[in-house]
Amino acid sequence: LAKTTQPISMDSYEGQEVNITCSHNNIATNDYITWYQQFPSQGPRFIIQGYKTKVTNEVASLFIPADRKSSTLSLPRVSLSDTAVYYCLVGDSRGSTLGRLYFGRGTQLTVWP
Amino acid sequence: DSGVTQTPKHLITATGQRVTLRCSPRSGDLSVYWYQQSLDQGLQFLIQYYNGEERAKGNILERFSAQQFPDLHSELNLSSLELGDSALYFCASSRGLEGETQYFGPGTRLLVL
Repeated sequence: LAKTTQPISMDSYEGQEVNITCSHNNIATNDYITWYQQFPSQGPRFIIQGYKTKVTNEVASLFIPADRKSSTLSLPRVSLSDTAVYYCLVGDSRGSTLGRLYFGRGTQLTVWP
Repeated sequence: DSGVTQTPKHLITATGQRVTLRCSPRSGDLSVYWYQQSLDQGLQFLIQYYNGEERAKGNILERFSAQQFPDLHSELNLSSLELGDSALYFCASSRGLEGETQYFGPGTRLLVL
C-alpha cells in the first residue's frame, strides 16, 4: 500500500478555507485517494474519494494533480465543528487485494473562533 | 448516524478477563471490519469478514478472535485481557468485498484495570 504523509496539525479560523495536502509518492495506477474525518471518541467518517483531477461534494473538494503523487483536501469556509482529525488513505482500489484501510496519524485541524 | 451499531458503548473489566464486543452492520452490507484505536498506536486494522467468512487479518493478537454470523452481525472476542488492550474498538461495514467506502460505528471504549 502506498504510504501517505500529511501534516500533523493545522490551525485555522472560522470562515476561512482550509487546504490539507497529502503526499503519496508511491501511489499505484489503480489506487484511489480517500479522505476520512474523525471527531474525538467517534468512528471515522468518509468525506470524499477521487482518482484524478478534481472531485467536489457537498462538504469538500479534492484536488489531484496529473502525477497523482499528492492530493489536497479543501474545506471551504470552515466552522468550529470542523475541528477534527483528517486522514488521507491511498490504495486498495476496487478489484485489488483487500478492503482494509490503513490510517496514518492524520492531521489534527483546529478551527478557532 | 452511519447505520452501524456497536454494543456496549463502554466496558470496564479487569486484567485476565474476557469480553465480547458486538457489531451490527448497515442494512445490506456484507463486509464487517474491526479496528483498534489507542493513543500510542493510532487506528489499526484488526480483521475483516465478508458474508460470514474471514477475508483479511491485520494486527490482531492471538488472544483476540472474531466471527460473523448468518445474520451478518459480528462479534469480537478479547481474552486474557491486558492493560494495553484498553482502547477504542471500532466496527465498520461496507457493501462488498474490496475497495468500497467503509462506514464506521460509534465504537466501544474498553478500559482494562
